[in-house]
Amino acid sequence: DADVTQTPRNRITKTGKRIMLECSQTKGHDRMYWYRQDPGLGLRLIYYSFDVKDINKGEISDGYSVSRQAQAKFSLSLESAIPNQTALYFCATSDLGLAGGRINEQFFGPGTRLTVL
Amino acid sequence: DQQVKQNSPSLSVQEGRISILNCDYTNSMFDYFLWYKKYPAEGPTFLISISSIKDKNEDGRFTVFLNKSAKHLSLHIVPSQPGDSAVYFCAASDSSQKLVFGQGTRLTINP
Repeated sequence: DADVTQTPRNRITKTGKRIMLECSQTKGHDRMYWYRQDPGLGLRLIYYSFDVKDINKGEISDGYSVSRQAQAKFSLSLESAIPNQTALYFCATSDLGLAGGRINEQFFGPGTRLTVL
Repeated sequence: DQQVKQNSPSLSVQEGRISILNCDYTNSMFDYFLWYKKYPAEGPTFLISISSIKDKNEDGRFTVFLNKSAKHLSLHIVPSQPGDSAVYFCAASDSSQKLVFGQGTRLTINP
């Protein structure tokens, strides 16, 4: 079974619609992240959360919002979708490391392909 | 402003030969570097990493080299195999523990 799951895997929507992408993890990690991938730009950080009560903006948070419902769940919302939000979206998780030590490796979900018409 | 750059969008290598993927960074505060591999329709998976206190880290066929003075790292795959065909992302991290990714390089291994 996958440790990090994302739903839906594919979604086509229209401009102005609200859409939510969901991420769940069974790794027991405290830290969760949302990225988008665009051709030629790599992965860019949208939002991240280091624990349930902690939400932080990433590099490209405008037009997005998030909700950390539980340690295992982190949702990304587009309140009013626009065509330039068409992209591949990835959720990721990471652990704190032993005794709070630094761990940088992140574990990614399979991605959601979103198309905004 | 791209802090992590992979200047080669694609690379084609013959099976059995060495693949060398390059990555440059501009932020001197980065002190941990990672390589991820991505197949189509899957999320990126961690491949190998290196701390800035080292200049080389090896794991089987994969070796990462770090040149801090040049702000450059490279991933060597020897020997290259068809299953290595994928998109490779380098990523860098500082004390914030957020990852900054490069644009990716598509590696194709030809039989």
